[in-house]
Amino acid sequence: QKEVEQNSGPLSVPEGAIASLNCTYSDRGSQSFFWYRQYSGKSPELIMSIYSNGDKEDGRFTAQLNKASQYVSLLIRDSQPSDSATYLCAGIRLQGAQKLVFGQGTRLTINP
Amino acid sequence: DVKVTQSSRYLVKRTGEKVFLECVQDMDHENMFWYRQDPGLGLRLIYFSYDVKMKEKGDIPEGYSVSREKKERFSLILESASTNQTSMYLCASSFSQGIGNTIYFGEGSWLTVV
Repeated sequence: QKEVEQNSGPLSVPEGAIASLNCTYSDRGSQSFFWYRQYSGKSPELIMSIYSNGDKEDGRFTAQLNKASQYVSLLIRDSQPSDSATYLCAGIRLQGAQKLVFGQGTRLTINP
Repeated sequence: DVKVTQSSRYLVKRTGEKVFLECVQDMDHENMFWYRQDPGLGLRLIYFSYDVKMKEKGDIPEGYSVSREKKERFSLILESASTNQTSMYLCASSFSQGIGNTIYFGEGSWLTVV
């Protein structure tokens, strides 16, 4: 089992709708989680980080963390065509060597 | 702004060549990382370093080595390049203390081995 797993998609969502991206992790020692957005041919850019159970909102983005279920999600409200990209979920341990482990990414397409 | 700079964006090398990929960060970060990214496989960690001259293997270290002689610079070395090392390579860095430390990525180096 991979440490961080995502549905690779593609996920298609109409413009203006809510896009929901999901991620599960197997290492209970992981304490912080990150969502990165990556456009084709570009490096990943950080959208949000979350390390407490519950929701964290930033503009149109909401990250959700459920440590009991080992589940992380990202909601994008009022989806725009510019949100079309690959979204990478990542988790990190804070004890010992802090290596960031990524899922394989979910390709999201917003249809005008 | 944090800047992570990868000196070579696009390289074409021949099988068997020794290849150096250089990465420099300007934020005094303790941690530095090398990942490779391939379609359908996401980002896979090759090596990381948490201090000068310190390194640890990631998930796919075979065929690679690293060097960190100065805090700001982390080099990835392909001792004898092979075609299965054709990929995009990403360098990243972060602070080591605190919760939720952001990892910053460079622009990526596209390596083709022929």
